[in-house]
Amino acid sequence: QQQVKQSPQSLIVQKGGISIINCAYENTAFDYFPWYQQFPGKGPALLIAIRPDVSEKKEGRFTISFNKSAKQFSLHIMDSQPGDSATYFCAARIFQAGTALIFGKGTTLSVSS
Amino acid sequence: DGGITQSPKYLFRKEGQNVTLSCEQNLNHDAMYWYRQDPGQGLRLIYYSQIVNDFQKGDIAEGYSVSREKKESFPLTVTSAQKNPTAFYLCALVGDTGELFFGEGSRLTVL
Repeated sequence: QQQVKQSPQSLIVQKGGISIINCAYENTAFDYFPWYQQFPGKGPALLIAIRPDVSEKKEGRFTISFNKSAKQFSLHIMDSQPGDSATYFCAARIFQAGTALIFGKGTTLSVSS
Repeated sequence: DGGITQSPKYLFRKEGQNVTLSCEQNLNHDAMYWYRQDPGQGLRLIYYSQIVNDFQKGDIAEGYSVSREKKESFPLTVTSAQKNPTAFYLCALVGDTGELFFGEGSRLTVL
């Protein structure tokens, strides 16, 4: 029940295309869902996060879509650029409880020019 | 310069040796975490601390130890009991609005 399942494991997208990464969870107590971006040799950096009281959050080219009934959330990268090539992690936690983030296994995105 | 500082960036260890990874912060935040990252495995929680002189085991604590004697420091010791220590180790802390912020990581290689 503590797992966060992420797919696909790897993704290749053409420049200008849309990248979509999906995550699913089981624990209905989770109430905070962030996405992290990681470049090789660096620590992950928070990209965007959502709470379950909204179904979508957009920041620039990055959008989180959240489906509470299906217990799924996804990251959409519009107009994907080569600079977006990185590993992306979804995560979840019970925000107020101060519990640790549970991470998905990551998706390696390559944007070809 | 503010934030989280991890050192060393690269570390080599011979089998049977203990090594300690440093994590320092100057943001005056309480909660700090250690994660281990292996290719294709995501980030797995080793230990976390929510307050000075207190810490809890995460999912993969075996073979590791920590201390939290000062608010700004949360060192991780990889002991000889850890059978597969080669990995990328990440320290993190919780920001003012609950987000988790990571350091730059320490890559440990066992020779």
